[in-house]
Amino acid sequence: QKEVEQDPGPLSVPEGAIVSLNCTYSNSAFQYFMWYRQYSRKGPELLMYTYSSGNKEDGRFTAQVDKSSKYISLFIRDSQPSDSATYLCAMSVPGRRALTFGSGTRLQVQP
Amino acid sequence: EPEVTQTPSHQVTQMGQEVILRCVPISNHLYFYWYRQILGQKVEFLVSFYNNEISEKSEIFDDQFSVERPDGSNFTLKIRSTKLEDSAMYFCASSEVGSSGNTIYFGEGSWLTVV
Repeated sequence: QKEVEQDPGPLSVPEGAIVSLNCTYSNSAFQYFMWYRQYSRKGPELLMYTYSSGNKEDGRFTAQVDKSSKYISLFIRDSQPSDSATYLCAMSVPGRRALTFGSGTRLQVQP
Repeated sequence: EPEVTQTPSHQVTQMGQEVILRCVPISNHLYFYWYRQILGQKVEFLVSFYNNEISEKSEIFDDQFSVERPDGSNFTLKIRSTKLEDSAMYFCASSEVGSSGNTIYFGEGSWLTVV
């Protein structure tokens, strides 16, 4: 079983839709959860960071962590064509600096 | 907005040659990292560096690789005797020291092609 699993997509939605992106993980020691956005041939851009379980909102983005299910989500409201990118989840264990990434979900928002 | 800068953006090298990738981390950050992403694959951790020494490294980071902070602003990754399978995008990253977790900021990457 992969440590972090993420549906590669592509996920195609119309402009204005609510997008749901998800990752599952197997390592219960993960406590820090991040979402990055990556445009083609560019570096990952940090979008959201959460610690342990719960929700966090920032503008159109909401991150959710359900540690009991080992499942994290990123919701994008009022999606825009500029949101078209690959979304990467990443996780880490307390006391360690290495991030473990998912393989990324490619999102296409159609105008 | 402060950012991590990397040079070169793209380098082509012959198999067996040495390559040095350079990075300028965000100025008030004290943790530095290298990650790589082989085309079509996930981003993978290579090494973290703090207080002038390696704090953590992955199995990928073998004797072929080394890191250095040669001065107060640069952070480098050296790959000795490059192999075809070293072809990848290499990302430098940095973060603050603190207990708030791993808010790590990435550069735009250096694309290495080994021929």
